[in-house]
Amino acid sequence: DTGVSQNPRHKITKRGQNVTFRCDPISEHNRLYWYRQTLGQGPEFLTYFQNEAQLEKSRLLSDRFSAERPKGSFSTLEIQRTEQGDSAMYLCASGLASAGGTEAFFGQGTRLTVV
Amino acid sequence: DAKTTQPNSMESNEEEPVHLPCNHSTISGTDYIHWYRQLPSQGPEYVIHGLTSNVNNRMASLAIAEDRKSSTLILHRATLRDAAVYYCILRPPAAGNKLTFGGGTRVLVKP
Repeated sequence: DTGVSQNPRHKITKRGQNVTFRCDPISEHNRLYWYRQTLGQGPEFLTYFQNEAQLEKSRLLSDRFSAERPKGSFSTLEIQRTEQGDSAMYLCASGLASAGGTEAFFGQGTRLTVV
Repeated sequence: DAKTTQPNSMESNEEEPVHLPCNHSTISGTDYIHWYRQLPSQGPEYVIHGLTSNVNNRMASLAIAEDRKSSTLILHRATLRDAAVYYCILRPPAAGNKLTFGGGTRVLVKP
């Protein structure tokens, strides 16, 4: 296993178009997280799954955003009707459910540019 | 979520130790202290974590104050590859283990 994989690495889209990103976590990890990071800021939590169940969504996640993890393995994050403010790095992380003492493994992210 | 306070930036010379402070005065008894770093154009990378006792691993050491209201990440011999943003994060046992990142400390390593 080579770690958390995200595709594509870069995406340029026109405002108003829909985009979808994919995350393949480390295979035995039951938790999968999505974060967004804008330039100069730390990553911000968007949502997370335990297996296939989406257990929490941030208020940052507007109705235009939807995430799925259909079989508890890979996950997709879709943004509908993209806006310029959606331009950011979208990071995926995976880990094991624990009492807080285990690490999260991050992918290299998908950089979205909305023009 | 309990908050952490870190200096915006620090400079170090190559092969010298780096001590990165973090204040977390509102930490609860069950919060773990995690450190991650983010190299340029990379996703964050786990460095170390602890609960009450000091911890060492191959990357760094974590010194936790006795009252747990502050901690210090120690890079024993900084290399150019250690130049990154270092984030100190409190991770509660509940809330899905999600990480709440602050602004972090940007570390510059000079040759």
